[in-house]
Amino acid sequence: DAKTTQPTSMDCAEGRAANLPCNHSTISGNEYVYWYRQIHSQGPQYIIHGLKNNETNEMASLIITEDRKSSTLILPHATLRDTAVYYCIVRGVLTGGGNKLTFGTGTQLKVEL
Amino acid sequence: GAGVSQSPRYKVAKRGQDVALRCDPISGHVSLFWYQQALGQGPEFLTYFQNEAQLDKSGLPSDRFFAERPEGSVSTLKIQRTQQEDSAVYLCASRKRGTNEKLFFGSGTQLSVL
Repeated sequence: DAKTTQPTSMDCAEGRAANLPCNHSTISGNEYVYWYRQIHSQGPQYIIHGLKNNETNEMASLIITEDRKSSTLILPHATLRDTAVYYCIVRGVLTGGGNKLTFGTGTQLKVEL
Repeated sequence: GAGVSQSPRYKVAKRGQDVALRCDPISGHVSLFWYQQALGQGPEFLTYFQNEAQLDKSGLPSDRFFAERPEGSVSTLKIQRTQQEDSAVYLCASRKRGTNEKLFFGSGTQLSVL
């Protein structure tokens, strides 16, 4: 699976949009971009995933560049409850191991008043 | 509840003891994963089950680690002769069927080996 690079930490004011970047310059054509987050003392939670088109759901939007070498997760109106570690994961369709997810160290997002 | 349930929530063991960690996946979920998360790190894959078959155990760090899912639902992760380096949060996740389905994680078992 392609390696991803994320900033270690970010801050965001409550009510503002949080834009979390991820670089995955070695991504190949059949690999998806997944985002999970982990709130303190909880297990990771799925947010969104995409292949090449932008995606939106009730939690967030995912913007993938045309060359697919990077993506941005957007939380449109961050709240204090969005404070968490956000993981960007690139995963192929058939990578074996049940298509296991390979987590990095993620971005610690802190939402402040 | 409808989520993945893990027990115990916390476990303290003396070095050399055996421990057993339980995972109740979401009913009907075919796939089950175990992950290990050290402090300040992301979760690391340990093993994967499809129904009762253990299809990948490449992440198990040593032969002291053993996992089973005999009836294709509840799973147990056993660690024999625990060592201090085994201290971590052990996370269980389940998935419906399709490989692109999302994973649902439990809250984990925090193991401390003294």
